[in-house]
Amino acid sequence: NAGVTQTPKFRILKIGQSMTLQCTQDMNHNYMYWYRQDPGMGLKLIYYSVGAGITDKGEVPNGYNVSRSTTEDFPLRLELAAPSQTSVYFCASSYVDEQYFGPGTRLTVT
Amino acid sequence: KQEVTQIPAALSVPEGENLVLNCSFTDSAIYNLQWFRQDPGKGLTSLLLIQSSQREQTSGRLNASLDKSSGRSTLYIAASQPGDSATYLCAVGPGAGNNRKLIWGLGTSLAVNP
Repeated sequence: NAGVTQTPKFRILKIGQSMTLQCTQDMNHNYMYWYRQDPGMGLKLIYYSVGAGITDKGEVPNGYNVSRSTTEDFPLRLELAAPSQTSVYFCASSYVDEQYFGPGTRLTVT
Repeated sequence: KQEVTQIPAALSVPEGENLVLNCSFTDSAIYNLQWFRQDPGKGLTSLLLIQSSQREQTSGRLNASLDKSSGRSTLYIAASQPGDSATYLCAVGPGAGNNRKLIWGLGTSLAVNP
């Protein structure tokens, strides 16, 4: 199993551009999550999904959108990128409680 | 509002030492508590998961304990090795309704020196 994979690993965006961060898991987990990690701030939940077709907001959803059309994929969309979205983004999945993380995407918005 | 605190923020020890990392939380009504490891530039790896009904979990040289009444968990690492150098994060599952929305501490950065 590859586990949780994320693409791209790194990305630089200009202010106002849009992009999609990809996340795929091959463990048939129903639960999937998007976090951002900022220095000194800890991990913050952006969005999560309890299954295909079902998504819900986390702590910091503004400026982001998600979709869950399949069990495997949970893309995170950034519209109109802002410098405040410079961060490391992690996708995770779980069957029940134990969460498995991808390697992360380091995003810089300038 | 649940808050999770990890002390110390950083720790440096010589190889072979036994050590304890601390995690405290303000609301004892938790569903579970998880300990993770994060290596620089990498994702997080789950180390131990303790359900609210459990007192401890063990995996190899790691032992995690949970005392809900005092709002504390400890991660004990026996016979530390340089490969244990990483940031250790604890996360609390706050309740049955939102039990998968974890509340995170800021982590303890551990350096084990040869």
